Amino acid sequence: EIVLTQSPGTLSLSPGERATLSCRASQSVSSSYLAWYQQKPGQAPRLLIYGASSRATGIPDRFSGSGSGTDFTLTISRLEPEDFAVYYCQQYGSSPETFGPGTKVDIK
Amino acid sequence: EVQLVQSGAEVKKPGESLKISCKGSGYSFTSYWIGWVRQMPGKGLEWMGIIYPGDSDTRYSPSFQGQVTISADKSISTAYLQWSSLKASDTAMYYCARPALDGTLDYWGQGTLVTVSS
Repeated sequence: EIVLTQSPGTLSLSPGERATLSCRASQSVSSSYLAWYQQKPGQAPRLLIYGASSRATGIPDRFSGSGSGTDFTLTISRLEPEDFAVYYCQQYGSSPETFGPGTKVDIK
Repeated sequence: EVQLVQSGAEVKKPGESLKISCKGSGYSFTSYWIGWVRQMPGKGLEWMGIIYPGDSDTRYSPSFQGQVTISADKSISTAYLQWSSLKASDTAMYYCARPALDGTLDYWGQGTLVTVSS
């Protein structure tokens, strides 16, 4: 099973700042099958990024993903008030699919 | 419009059985897998397993193998997650989600909160 580690655990930033979230895999993620999800309190997760770098339908271009192999990054170029949430990475290239523990982005 | 609608919140006692549901609409139910994800209170997401309603091919995460049963009734476009004997540690929010053809979870149900308490 591929274990995903996310850092930092919590990121405290102000609106307008840039957020950089990391996801590291215990072994190489097949074909960059790495996704990022956003979850707000009381809501189901929402798909942001798939294939490590492709934005899902309707996702603003301030969200971008990069990386390959074992190291992946989600960048939010300028934080909007609605972006404060928990972000999870997920690998779906190897069974069982696994999630990282999440990074909480909160308001400084 | 693709929708996954889950059954309502449940409160059960340890040792009781439970079956929760997830009804799909707006797409060909038999052509896409349906997965289940657990989220314990204040914790992260855990992949439980997945089923292909077209032929009932089912795969479980090792952590959940033998602990739950995933099934589907394609005649009513509904997937199920069931327990034969609940434990307090099964208290969690459970989401169903539909993987797109590439495997990403592009549609999610609203979640079913299961509370197990004596």
